[in-house]
Amino acid sequence: KAGVTQTPRYLIKTRGQQVTLSCSPISGHRSVSWYQQTPGQGLQFLFEYFSETQRNKGNFPGRFSGRQFSNSRSEMNVSTLELGDSALYLCASSLEGPGNTIYFGEGSWLTVV
Amino acid sequence: DQQVKQNSPSLSVQEGRISILNCDYTNSMFDYFLWYKKYPAEGPTFLISISSIKDKNEDGRFTVFLNKSAKHLSLHIVPSQPGDSAVYFCAASRYSGNTPLVFGKGTRLSVIA
Repeated sequence: KAGVTQTPRYLIKTRGQQVTLSCSPISGHRSVSWYQQTPGQGLQFLFEYFSETQRNKGNFPGRFSGRQFSNSRSEMNVSTLELGDSALYLCASSLEGPGNTIYFGEGSWLTVV
Repeated sequence: DQQVKQNSPSLSVQEGRISILNCDYTNSMFDYFLWYKKYPAEGPTFLISISSIKDKNEDGRFTVFLNKSAKHLSLHIVPSQPGDSAVYFCAASRYSGNTPLVFGKGTRLSVIA
């Protein structure tokens, strides 16, 4: 069974640009979450989607947005990039229901210069 | 306000001995706890979980203990192996689902041969 797949794995962007990251969840998983990992802040929750609807949102500015498609694939977008947006962006998926494990992808490394 | 705390940033253990990683939480609403292992440049890998109806859960060399009254959990790895060297994250959530994981900042385990 394929795991959570994220693309691209590595990318470099210039301050002020925008970036779109893609995530394909494990087959059958309809909940997709995004997390940001930075050395100083650890792993922080960005947002969660289920059935194409944003169900939960973390404490990030509106420059961070996401969406989910009917096949459960998800994208996140960061506009007007800042140097502080340099981080590992992790996508995770899970089955719906209580006590389900959340599985993570390998992540997308974003460097903003 | 950090709701999940891993107070030891690093831990060194000799191969074959027990590794004990600790985690404290402050939010009484958390009733589902997970441990993840993370290698550099990779996504977190799920290790083991426990719900608050239990105080212990075992899976091979990994055992998680939960002390609800102290709001404390620990991960025991016995025996420790060099391949266990990684960063370990404790995460907390609601068993009912639909809520994001709240992570500690991680403990870097080094298993010395």
